[in-house]
Amino acid sequence: ETGVTQTPRHLVMGMTNKKSLKCEQHLGHNAMYWYKQSAKKPLELMFVYNFKEQTENNSVPSRFSPECPNSSHLFLHLHTLQPEDSALYLCASSPTSGGAHEQFFGPGTRLTVL
Amino acid sequence: GEDVEQSLFLSVREGDSSVINCTYTDSSSTYLYWYKQEPGAGLQLLTYIFSNMDMKQDQRLTVLLNKKDKHLSLRIADTQTGDSAIYFCAESIQSGGYNKLIFGAGTRLAVHP
Repeated sequence: ETGVTQTPRHLVMGMTNKKSLKCEQHLGHNAMYWYKQSAKKPLELMFVYNFKEQTENNSVPSRFSPECPNSSHLFLHLHTLQPEDSALYLCASSPTSGGAHEQFFGPGTRLTVL
Repeated sequence: GEDVEQSLFLSVREGDSSVINCTYTDSSSTYLYWYKQEPGAGLQLLTYIFSNMDMKQDQRLTVLLNKKDKHLSLRIADTQTGDSAIYFCAESIQSGGYNKLIFGAGTRLAVHP
């Protein structure tokens, strides 16, 4: 257990559906991240929130919409996705002061878009 | 540009040492990390090394850093079947008050009897 939880663990959705992924951390971290992990590709950083403010949007299509209501919770809202969006979506959190700022990851949500 | 490269696959016999190699491009990286991912799980931080160090040892794990060549390696002594996983190397880049991590594609370690 890393202290970062994600729900749901698995999600199957059609291209016209709207769904949301949830991430929660109980580590007192100020930064939270969404990553996309596709087969045989490096992890792709999607969004970064630092003290609830979005500090990075890595050219992510608008069909992915993040929300960070507080430092402990992060959402990824999904709508009109494409089959190529099928992947493992990982959430992470990290401190922003002192030391290595190591990122702690959740178990991920395995998303399949039909 | 920012790039981290690793070989994709390594096979070792149980009890032998494993060495996973990584090269990175950003000489300003302050920390370099090794993460482990088991099937169906997220990434687990194994260890990290500060850029002014050239070696760090933690039980069966030894990290070597050659900053001049921008080369990082992870040695696992007495490799066990439970070490079978994907290992990711990552470099950190300071960006907007947080450490942005650039990951390699991962090295799949297979341990056989």
